Amino acid sequence: DTAVSQTPKYLVTQMGNDKSIKCEQNLGHDTMYWYKQDSKKFLKIMFSYNNKELIINETVPNRFSPKSPDKAHLNLHINSLELGDSAVYFCASSLRGEFEQYFGPGTRLTVT
Amino acid sequence: EDKVVQSPLSLVVHEGDTVTLNCSYEVTNFRSLLWYKQEKKAPTFLFMLTSSGIEKKSGRLSSILDKKELFSILNITATQTGDSAIYLCAVEGNAGNMLTFGGGTRLMVKP
Repeated sequence: DTAVSQTPKYLVTQMGNDKSIKCEQNLGHDTMYWYKQDSKKFLKIMFSYNNKELIINETVPNRFSPKSPDKAHLNLHINSLELGDSAVYFCASSLRGEFEQYFGPGTRLTVT
Repeated sequence: EDKVVQSPLSLVVHEGDTVTLNCSYEVTNFRSLLWYKQEKKAPTFLFMLTSSGIEKKSGRLSSILDKKELFSILNITATQTGDSAIYLCAVEGNAGNMLTFGGGTRLMVKP
């Protein structure tokens, strides 16, 4: 069974469009995250949600908005996509207070 | 700002070789250091280290932490082609649950 899943796996879209990436975890975790992996393989934290509350919000553009309908889901919505948004985005989850995070397979976003 | 530096950036070895990957860090209120293996896409968890001098071992992989000198090493003995991956080091510091990742070491094991 998939622990952390993301959809879609690949997303190709044009500049200016609005898109969403979905993330679901079935691990019973209460904290979920979004990371952006850049072309140099650095993983940068974007958002973290715990019990529907945003607990840490890194300095990302406000075109990015996380939406968590429940503890098992954390979706990433991006408005007015730009070329620089092209990257692989990873969702992860953990139990609050535990260090180990479980990552999803990633979504490769390409903005043309 | 928390900082994690990994070295080397990339490494090419032959099957059977032993490799050592390095991770140094600067972090406020260190809590743990984690190693991940990333193949193609999502990183998979390898080790979590919280105490100095205690080696963690899993098969051919082992890791140790030095909290005084602020570094960790990941050793892989008798490397196999399946070990080819990016190895990520991450530390948890002051922000609780949030990880700061290093840039990774790309390991390629040739037959």
